Amino acid sequence: QVQLQESGPGLVKVSETLSLTCTVSGDSITDENQYWTWIRQHPRRGLEWIGYIYYRARTFYNPSLRGRLAMSIDASKNQFSLKLTSVTAADTAVYFCARERSMAFDNWGRGILVTVSS
Amino acid sequence: SYELTQPPSVSVSPGQTASISCSGDELGNRHASWYQQKEGRAPVLLIFQDDKRPPGIPARFSGSNSGNTATLTISGTEAMDEADYFCQAWDTITARVFGTGTKVTVL
Repeated sequence: QVQLQESGPGLVKVSETLSLTCTVSGDSITDENQYWTWIRQHPRRGLEWIGYIYYRARTFYNPSLRGRLAMSIDASKNQFSLKLTSVTAADTAVYFCARERSMAFDNWGRGILVTVSS
Repeated sequence: SYELTQPPSVSVSPGQTASISCSGDELGNRHASWYQQKEGRAPVLLIFQDDKRPPGIPARFSGSNSGNTATLTISGTEAMDEADYFCQAWDTITARVFGTGTKVTVL
């Protein structure tokens, strides 16, 4: 059974960098045809696709976040990570990691609330 | 950028059928997925590639997609189906988009 688990600080200061890691178990992060994805959900709002990385470390980002965003993969730990720079209060959200397969997100982490404060 | 629009809310009586629409330009030419999200939980995939159900998803959930609208249908709605529902599609081959979300209330 595939499981994903987000980890990282729940509180980040304005203008600093938000860093999160997703640990994957039950599947190899280097398998082809799977995209390792970050999605966020602002309080009481909808879902926003952030971007994805896949095994060749190719990345694709939401254009609205491009320039502040970097994703990486650590195959030795079966993890992938997110870094979002210059955060503001608008980046406060629950961040989910997920696996995309067959054009859908079939496995999700529980999510981690990240609050940006001054 | 591509947009998917859903009704904010749908109400349904237990045992009845609920239909949730998802509208986007030529959405029928893309594959649609549907997710259920309960309070404080991660979304769960209900439907992928328009009308396919993952293992473990009850048969009362079905999907269709044609023209500019994808539809999620819940037949024989149960109290446990009260949740938020989101559609999702590929914006481009390298970008994804979610619908605005629909809150389903089982009265």
